Amino acid sequence: NAGVTQTPKFQVLKTGQSMTLQCAQDMNHNSMYWYRQDPGMGLRLIYYSASEGTTDKGEVPNGYNVSRLNKREFSLRLESAAPSQTSVYFCASRDGTSRNNEQFFGPGTRLTVL
Amino acid sequence: GNSVTQMEGPVTLSEEAFLTINCTYTATGYPSLFWYVQYPGEGLQLLLKATKADDKGSNKGFEATYRKETTSFHLEKGSVQVSDSAVYFCALSDISGNTPLVFGKGTRLSVIA
Repeated sequence: NAGVTQTPKFQVLKTGQSMTLQCAQDMNHNSMYWYRQDPGMGLRLIYYSASEGTTDKGEVPNGYNVSRLNKREFSLRLESAAPSQTSVYFCASRDGTSRNNEQFFGPGTRLTVL
Repeated sequence: GNSVTQMEGPVTLSEEAFLTINCTYTATGYPSLFWYVQYPGEGLQLLLKATKADDKGSNKGFEATYRKETTSFHLEKGSVQVSDSAVYFCALSDISGNTPLVFGKGTRLSVIA
């Protein structure tokens, strides 16, 4: 049982390059989330998917797109990376059938945009 | 809307000291409350939770009690260790499990030997 996995673990991009961050969960969760965490800062929600086939904007969606490929996978795409997108990105999942259920986080992707 | 406010850090304690990290919330209805911990270089993991008023969550020597009258969920530990150094996040889940958790900004704890 791997939980939430993210690839890659580290990435360096040049300004203007594009990339996709991959996330997968094996817990049959219906809800998945993408967050960014800047140094010394808390979490900020980028996008989320409450169920397969739906996506919604979070607090900081500009510059990002997402795809809920199937129930297991939720990817985050940066079309034209900017230095302001240098951050640690966390994917998370949750069984949304109850408010009591915990949210599980992946190990993070550390992205640097030069 | 729903919100979580937790004490700003960083908090620096000596080993074996008593820890309190304050957390208060604003929510409609009866949310579930969580404490998450983030160790250096890792993702967040659940530390404890409470799902109704007067519930006490506990784990690894940490405790927090869901106080509806004061809308609080303060984290406590009687004797901290160096290994407790981490960032602690308070969070709430409203009546719908499908909406994202609302997180506080996090409190960094450093424990020195």
